[in-house]
Amino acid sequence: QQQVKQSPQSLIVQKGGISIINCAYENTAFDYFPWYQQFPGKGPALLIAIRPDVSEKKEGRFTISFNKSAKQFSLHIMDSQPGDSATYFCAASRRETSGSRLTFGEGTQLTVNP
Amino acid sequence: DSGVTQTPKHLITATGQRVTLRCSPRSGDLSVYWYQQSLDQGLQFLIHYYNGEERAKGNILERFSAQQFPDLHSELNLSSLELGDSALYFCASSVGVSSGNTIYFGEGSWLTVV
Repeated sequence: QQQVKQSPQSLIVQKGGISIINCAYENTAFDYFPWYQQFPGKGPALLIAIRPDVSEKKEGRFTISFNKSAKQFSLHIMDSQPGDSATYFCAASRRETSGSRLTFGEGTQLTVNP
Repeated sequence: DSGVTQTPKHLITATGQRVTLRCSPRSGDLSVYWYQQSLDQGLQFLIHYYNGEERAKGNILERFSAQQFPDLHSELNLSSLELGDSALYFCASSVGVSSGNTIYFGEGSWLTVV
């Protein structure tokens, strides 16, 4: 119930292409869905996040699409650049009475070729 | 730079030993989280403290303990270390306690148990 499933495990895209990473969850109590970007030797950094009351959120080249009925959400990176090469994690959290925690997907290693 | 400071950055220790990882949250953040990242388990939530109080506990082993001090810095204590405890340990912080607060990660402490 607490798991978040992420795919693909790795992704290779040409510069200028669209990168798409998908996640699925089971727990309908989740109410916050962030995406984190992690470069080697660094900690995860928040990229973009969405709440289930909207179906899409766009920030620059990054877009989250959210399908509440299917319990799925995805990250689209438009005009992918070599600098976008990193590991991407989807995550989910739910409102708890006392604290909070992020449940992460397994991660997707994105490589953007020049 | 996320503003979350972790020390040490790298640590090599022997099995059976005890280590302490230290974290200073971003200025103004009252919540501190600890996460473990390993190749086989991914990013796993360990524990959440808010203003000195434990608020949520995840997959944290009984050999591990944490605390948050009055000045809001936090320590993660790992004892009776095993080879399988080798991992990257992240501290993260946020302003509040609830789901939806942006969580900022430090750069991690690499622990190698030999």
